[in-house]
Amino acid sequence: DAKTTQPPSMDCAEGRAANLPCNHSTISGNEYVYWYRQIHSQGPQYIIHGLKNNETNEMASLIITEDRKSSTLILPHATLRDTAVYYCIVRDPGTASKLTFGTGTRLQVTL
Amino acid sequence: GAVVSQHPSWVICKSGTSVKIECRSLDFQATTMFWYRQFPKQSLMLMATSNEGSKATYEQGVEKDKFLINHASLTLSTLTVTSAHPEDSSFYICSARDLGRGNYGYTFGSGTRLTVV
Repeated sequence: DAKTTQPPSMDCAEGRAANLPCNHSTISGNEYVYWYRQIHSQGPQYIIHGLKNNETNEMASLIITEDRKSSTLILPHATLRDTAVYYCIVRDPGTASKLTFGTGTRLQVTL
Repeated sequence: GAVVSQHPSWVICKSGTSVKIECRSLDFQATTMFWYRQFPKQSLMLMATSNEGSKATYEQGVEKDKFLINHASLTLSTLTVTSAHPEDSSFYICSARDLGRGNYGYTFGSGTRLTVV
């Protein structure tokens, strides 16, 4: 699976949009971009995934650049409960390959 | 949606004893489950891949005789930490993938915090 690079930490004011970037310059054609988050002392939670089109669900939006070498997870109206570590993972869902976590971005949402 | 139940959520054991952690897929069958370990302020590290009806595949550096994995059914995998020592104290997390949900990602258990005293 391709490697990803994320900033170690970010801050965001409550109610504002949180934009979390991820670089995955070696992504291959079959690989999807997945985002998970881990709230303290809990298991990771699936957020969203995409291949090349932008995606939106009830939790977030995922913007993938046209060359697919980077993506941005957008939490449109961050709340204190969104404080967590966010992981961007690239993998081919057609394989049974393991899910490998990088260091992620620690998002701190403040009042 | 896919739900993975992990039990216990926390356990304290004496050094030298063994501890078993269970991971169950509640509403789907999982031929493959994964076990992770997470130390404070670090990312999740994959320990092993649990395969139903066959031997687990361990990551490099993980002692298979210390971390016993059994995946006897399509909904249950267990991780047994044998002869636990304080350095085994960690947060253990399992995950599984519901193949019926297509490209959706893996579902994770809520984790087990093991403290060895």
